[in-house]
Amino acid sequence: QQQVKQSPQSLIVQKGGISIINCAYENTAFDYFPWYQQFPGKGPALLIAIRPDVSEKKEGRFTISFNKSAKQFSLHIMDSQPGDSATYFCAANDFGNEKLTFGTGTRLTIIP
Amino acid sequence: KAGVTQTPRYLIKTRGQQVTLSCSPISGHRSVSWYQQTPGQGLQFLFEYFSETQRNKGNFPGRFSGRQFSNSRSEMNVSTLELGDSALYLCATQDGTSREQFFGPGTRLTVL
Repeated sequence: QQQVKQSPQSLIVQKGGISIINCAYENTAFDYFPWYQQFPGKGPALLIAIRPDVSEKKEGRFTISFNKSAKQFSLHIMDSQPGDSATYFCAANDFGNEKLTFGTGTRLTIIP
Repeated sequence: KAGVTQTPRYLIKTRGQQVTLSCSPISGHRSVSWYQQTPGQGLQFLFEYFSETQRNKGNFPGRFSGRQFSNSRSEMNVSTLELGDSALYLCATQDGTSREQFFGPGTRLTVL
């Protein structure tokens, strides 16, 4: 019940397009959903996070959409740029339990 | 504020040896978590420390242990190394107010 399922495994998007990565969770106790970006040889960097009391959160070109009833959340990257090429991880945890449960990652490639 | 620092960045060990990795958190962060990242298993939670006490533990054998000092710095130790322990070991520290977790650059451990 701790699983977080992430799709797609890899994604190729043209420069200027919209990149969409989806995650689904099972544990209804989860109440914090961050997204991380990881470049080769680096640690994951926190991009944006959402709590289930809102359905959408936007920071610059990055937007999280959250559907509590479907237990799904997604990351949208608008106007995708080559510098966005990285691996993206969704994650979740519940209050009082600092263990983050991660999705399996999406390797995003932005082509010119 | 300085970020999360991890030392050493790279380690090469042989089977049967033991290793100690170190993590210095962001100033003011009292929670330190450790994760193992491998291509096959992704990001997996090892354990979390808060105020020198282990609060959470993942599903790893007893060869993996950790501790936290009074200044919140943390170490993890792996004894009797196995080939399968080759991985990127990541430390994350948490802002107690926002619940945001910030990762260090990791220690790349190679077991030969």
